[in-house]
Amino acid sequence: GAGVSQSPSNKVTEKGKDVELRCDPISGHTALYWYRQSLGQGLEFLIYFQGNSAPDKSGLPSDRFSAERTGGSVSTLTIQRTQQEDSAVYLCASSLIQGSNQPQHFGDGTRLSIL
Amino acid sequence: RKEVEQDPGPFNVPEGATVAFNCTYSNSASQSFFWYRQDCRKEPKLLMSVYSSGNEDGRFTAQLNRASQYISLLIRDSKLSDSATYLCVVRGSGNTPLVFGKGTRLSVIA
Repeated sequence: GAGVSQSPSNKVTEKGKDVELRCDPISGHTALYWYRQSLGQGLEFLIYFQGNSAPDKSGLPSDRFSAERTGGSVSTLTIQRTQQEDSAVYLCASSLIQGSNQPQHFGDGTRLSIL
Repeated sequence: RKEVEQDPGPFNVPEGATVAFNCTYSNSASQSFFWYRQDCRKEPKLLMSVYSSGNEDGRFTAQLNRASQYISLLIRDSKLSDSATYLCVVRGSGNTPLVFGKGTRLSVIA
């Protein structure tokens, strides 16, 4: 079946602009996660949605970052007034809800470059 | 102390060699453990889960030592296609986010 789908694949924008990244999880997966990976760094957790519960936003680096998940499926991550340090690969993952041993399946990511 | 620590490598090994990676984690409440593989400029992909009793999948063997908070991955008979970065991943209870190590880079050389 279809995997996690992210768009756009690449995004280049000027500092100060807003960007919106999209994630379409695997059908039936109720948990959705956003991570980012800066060059040469490990993956950094940003935000997590599980079903209809309030999202866990503990990883968002600043109030310029926000995310929503409408209808329990597609999610958008918005970065306002982008800064050069926001340049990274933004990865979305989804998983089934039951049990902590459920692996997360990743999309291909959005490579964001802030000029 | 970082939550998940790995030797960044690189490990450069000839084809057919056996290579082992280690990882330590700081949160004793961690409940789930995984190894992911990430190829250059690609997304991470699950290689295998790690179970308390240790588990094997073909040429790959994973082990967990809860007392020492230590995880290992052994690759036997290395192939060129095994060249990648191997990410040690740890998780708390439920569907909490994964915590990733920075990865260990492996290059298998002909």
